[in-house]
Amino acid sequence: DAGITQSPRYKITETGRQVTLMCHQTWSHSYMFWYRQDLGHGLRLIYYSAAADITDKGEVPDGYVVSRSKTENFPLTLESATRSQTSVYFCASKLQLAGPWNEQFFGPGTRLTVL
Amino acid sequence: LAKTTQPISMDSYEGQEVNITCSHNNIATNDYITWYQQFPSQGPRFIIQGYKTKVTNEVASLFIPADRKSSTLSLPRVSLSDTAVYYCLVDTGTASKLTFGTGTRLQVTL
Repeated sequence: DAGITQSPRYKITETGRQVTLMCHQTWSHSYMFWYRQDLGHGLRLIYYSAAADITDKGEVPDGYVVSRSKTENFPLTLESATRSQTSVYFCASKLQLAGPWNEQFFGPGTRLTVL
Repeated sequence: LAKTTQPISMDSYEGQEVNITCSHNNIATNDYITWYQQFPSQGPRFIIQGYKTKVTNEVASLFIPADRKSSTLSLPRVSLSDTAVYYCLVDTGTASKLTFGTGTRLQVTL
């Protein structure tokens, strides 16, 4: 299917476990992003990637690791999950960074609960 | 960061025009202003984008004054299905600064 997908949609894990959230886009967009959404904080950028093998930190990167070996995939890993990482995670992609007619396309989100 | 400030919430009746204002005092010369809409349990989706003056599409209008330090999203004749959270984003050419504010929760009632 065309678009941007995330898996799993829901995940419950325990403190200290490693968790990987998957993101896949079919547009060959250069830029991909991971956001977390929490009440009172809106959407905060965790990591982003400008192309395969190019990633960089956003506003709240601590506790997360990303990789991008292929243009279409951008997994987010919580190496040792903590309760403070309970959140809804959104992946997004964008064709280019700047300029007009240049929107971000968001996935449906992954609701992660860390017990 | 190109921080944005919006009202936390707004209420409207169906059929009215709704205007949501966002302030972005630190906007840079090459930045665009983009608005997104988010329904519960969904990712945000693009509504409209502008650089200056006025932009209109089939769902909304965006007004941006000359100093570009604020913008106003205008939704004509809202319906119940417009109940959502609306985010203003300063679309900067620096990826690390792409941060959304807390958004405006619009509640439309009969």
